Amino acid sequence: NAGVTQTPKFQVLKTGQSMTLQCAQDMNHNSMYWYRQDPGMGLRLIYYSASEGTTDKGEVPNGYNVSRLNKREFSLRLESAAPSQTSVYFCASSLPRQSSGNTIYFGEGSWLTVV
Amino acid sequence: GENVEQHPSTLSVQEGDSAVIKCTYSDSASNYFPWYKQELGKRPQLIIDIRSNVGEKKDQRIAVTLNKTAKHFSLHITETQPEDSAVYFCAPTSWGKLQFGAGTQVVVTP
Repeated sequence: NAGVTQTPKFQVLKTGQSMTLQCAQDMNHNSMYWYRQDPGMGLRLIYYSASEGTTDKGEVPNGYNVSRLNKREFSLRLESAAPSQTSVYFCASSLPRQSSGNTIYFGEGSWLTVV
Repeated sequence: GENVEQHPSTLSVQEGDSAVIKCTYSDSASNYFPWYKQELGKRPQLIIDIRSNVGEKKDQRIAVTLNKTAKHFSLHITETQPEDSAVYFCAPTSWGKLQFGAGTQVVVTP
């Protein structure tokens, strides 16, 4: 049981390049999330998927696209990377339940630098 | 959407003392109130949570208290130890997309 797995762990991009961050969870969770965390800052929600086939914008969606490929996988794409997108990206998942709450489980993070 | 504020933003405590962090939220529909801990270079992890029908919950040296009327909940750490040094985040929710507070940097000095 690996939990939430995201790749790559480190990436350096040139301005204007595109890339996709991959994320998969093996906990049978319905909800999946992408957050970014800038140095010394909090977690800001980029996109959210409540279930397979649905996605919703978070606080900072501009410059990103997402795909909920199936229940397990939720990818984040940067179409034309900008230096302002240099950050640590966390994928996460949860299974909201009235009986037990909505604990979020995070991946280990992807460190992205755009030069 | 939810407006979440955490105070203080930084907290320095002597080892053995107590630490308290407060989280204020705006959405009266929020019914789940977790606290996450993030150590340097690592992912955030849940340390304690509380449901809206409970006023207080304890787990060894940590506790969470909830005041739904005033729309705030607090994290209490007693007998602080160096390993409690980290950033702590609250994330009140009503089952929708979770948004985190800005975080509180806690430094425990020997």
